[in-house]
Amino acid sequence: GAVVSQHPSRVICKSGTSVKIECRSLDFQATTMFWYRQFPKQSLMLMATSNEGSKATYEQGVEKDKFLINHASLTLSTLTVTSAHPEDSSFYICSAPGTVWGVGINRDEQFFGPGTRLTVL
Amino acid sequence: QKEVEQNSGPLSVPEGAIASLNCTYSDRGSQSFFWYRQYSGKSPELIMFIYSNGDKEDGRFTAQLNKASQYVSLLIRDSQPSDSATYLCAVNESGGSNYKLTFGKGTLLTVNP
Repeated sequence: GAVVSQHPSRVICKSGTSVKIECRSLDFQATTMFWYRQFPKQSLMLMATSNEGSKATYEQGVEKDKFLINHASLTLSTLTVTSAHPEDSSFYICSAPGTVWGVGINRDEQFFGPGTRLTVL
Repeated sequence: QKEVEQNSGPLSVPEGAIASLNCTYSDRGSQSFFWYRQYSGKSPELIMFIYSNGDKEDGRFTAQLNKASQYVSLLIRDSQPSDSATYLCAVNESGGSNYKLTFGKGTLLTVNP
């Protein structure tokens, strides 16, 4: 099946530093990837849609200059949290849409990465 | 603004019982509906999807969809302690990419041995 990986799985950094998170589709190509953020005991909030070869589309209220997204290839999207602060501490999850092929029936599905736990001190 | 509403719970059921999880959505044009299970500290995993009105069964799980009422539910039969998790309802965004999902806040389910 389709696999999405994320790296790193966990990162701790000092306030003011920048952190890059990678999202890879391992066995399929993804022209679109999604980045979510999840605070404790809250739901996934879509931050942005990453588009291969073009600019990302950010959701309302998400600062595009703070959360830089680069989708340079069909299998890799990166999210850089610039000048991170403690309030940016969260669980960041990416996903990529793909097709699950079945006998007579195919369906489209989002495949999620395992997530990256960011802690900013 | 498109919204997906779920009871936050916690919902507590004894082992072997039926757990019933509910979800309502605001976008009448939504076409696809998903239930994800999320264990603490992990990313969501898809357990059910439904596109048409009615019931869809897969093992111990049954998804129910009523587009007229904008309501989707998930029934878990013979609940097991391993089913204890947060269940997220997700709805696709109509008029755009089929892949863009709006998530509810999730219902925390606890199955007691």
